[in-house]
Amino acid sequence: AAGVIQSPRHLIKEKRETATLKCYPIPRHDTVYWYQQGPGQDPQFLISFYEKMQSDKGSIPDRFSAQQFSDYHSELNMSSLELGDSALYFCASSARLMGPGTGGFEQYFGPGTRLTVT
Amino acid sequence: DQQVKQNSPSLSVQEGRISILNCDYTNSMFDYFLWYKKYPAEGPTFLISISSIKDKNEDGRFTVFLNKSAKHLSLHIVPSQPGDSAVYFCAAVRGSNYKLTFGKGTLLTVNP
Repeated sequence: AAGVIQSPRHLIKEKRETATLKCYPIPRHDTVYWYQQGPGQDPQFLISFYEKMQSDKGSIPDRFSAQQFSDYHSELNMSSLELGDSALYFCASSARLMGPGTGGFEQYFGPGTRLTVT
Repeated sequence: DQQVKQNSPSLSVQEGRISILNCDYTNSMFDYFLWYKKYPAEGPTFLISISSIKDKNEDGRFTVFLNKSAKHLSLHIVPSQPGDSAVYFCAAVRGSNYKLTFGKGTLLTVNP
């Protein structure tokens, strides 16, 4: 079965540079989520898109922005990178239209992008 | 403020025995709960979920129990296998916004 694809898998950037992370959701999934996981931490929600519209926003810095395109893939853009941005970034997708009680809350995660800022 | 808590950072069990992973939550608005398994350098893998209107859900070796009055849920793995060794995350959802709130995870080690 097709899974969530993320690229690149690893990225090394210097402080103050920019980075773009890409996510390709599972086909026919209508919602994409981005999470950040620091070392030894639990994944923290950043932002989500439902049918290409931003649906919820978490603890995402103003230096970060994201969008979902017409083909449902999503990109997370990170500018003015700081050392503290070094983390694993996960994308997840779900089929929200399935609705509560029918499994619409299950999110399926990609393998992640490991971002290292030096 | 950690709304989903996994108070045991690690758990070690023998192969063939039962593994019980616990999770507590503080936000009574959560209405759906999920368990994920995570290997190093991989994304979390969905295991099993439960709606707040149920108290038990079973899928093969995995069973999740929900005690809503105690704001507590647990994941039972029977029988445990060495391949189950991973970090297990409990997560919760409010039906209105769909985002997952995770606990800090429990490292399960199943010894042969």
